[in-house]
Amino acid sequence: DIQMTQSPSVLSASVGDRVTLNCKASQNINKYLNWYQQKLGEAPKLLIYNTNNLQTGIPSRFSGSGSGTDYTLTISSLQPEDVATYFCFQHNSWPGTFGGGTKLELK
Amino acid sequence: EVQLVESGEGLVQPGSSMKLSCVASGFTFSNYGMNWIRQAPKKGLEWIALIYYDSSSKYYADSVKGRFTISRDNSKNTLYLEMNSLRSEDTAMYYCAKGYGVMDAWGQGASVTVSS
Repeated sequence: DIQMTQSPSVLSASVGDRVTLNCKASQNINKYLNWYQQKLGEAPKLLIYNTNNLQTGIPSRFSGSGSGTDYTLTISSLQPEDVATYFCFQHNSWPGTFGGGTKLELK
Repeated sequence: EVQLVESGEGLVQPGSSMKLSCVASGFTFSNYGMNWIRQAPKKGLEWIALIYYDSSSKYYADSVKGRFTISRDNSKNTLYLEMNSLRSEDTAMYYCAKGYGVMDAWGQGASVTVSS
């Protein structure tokens, strides 16, 4: 099975900051990488699919990049409503696997 | 509007069985693969099962393989998860989600607690 490692596990940032979250796969996942946002007490929500495709309705401050084993989610200007836990998910091969998550907090 | 509504949640004893349902609306259910994902209390997400749109293929996480069965009834727009030989480590919120690979809609979750 492919292992997904997210870093950092916790990130504190200020409103307006540019924020970068990382996700590393144990082998090449051919850009089959999604990002999900989960706010406290809610179901996860799809932000980015297949590395860099913004899901409909998601603000343009969110973007994704990467290739091979290394992927990044960037928030260009952090907003208070972005406080959440972010998970990456690979679907290059089954079983699909999630990273452990990055909890994003306001400084 | 896409809606997924899980049901069947509850408290069960270790070793027992339970069946979750997920009723879909707002899209052509029979055209899409469907998934179950779970989240143990205060933990991360764990994908556990996928079924193709026509039930021709099913995939499972190693943690549930041989104990859980995913199925669907396209005439009822309903996804199922039959869970047998339940263990305390199966305690979690269980979500159904639409899509093959790209899970773009999720239900609100059904809580399963396995405890004596």
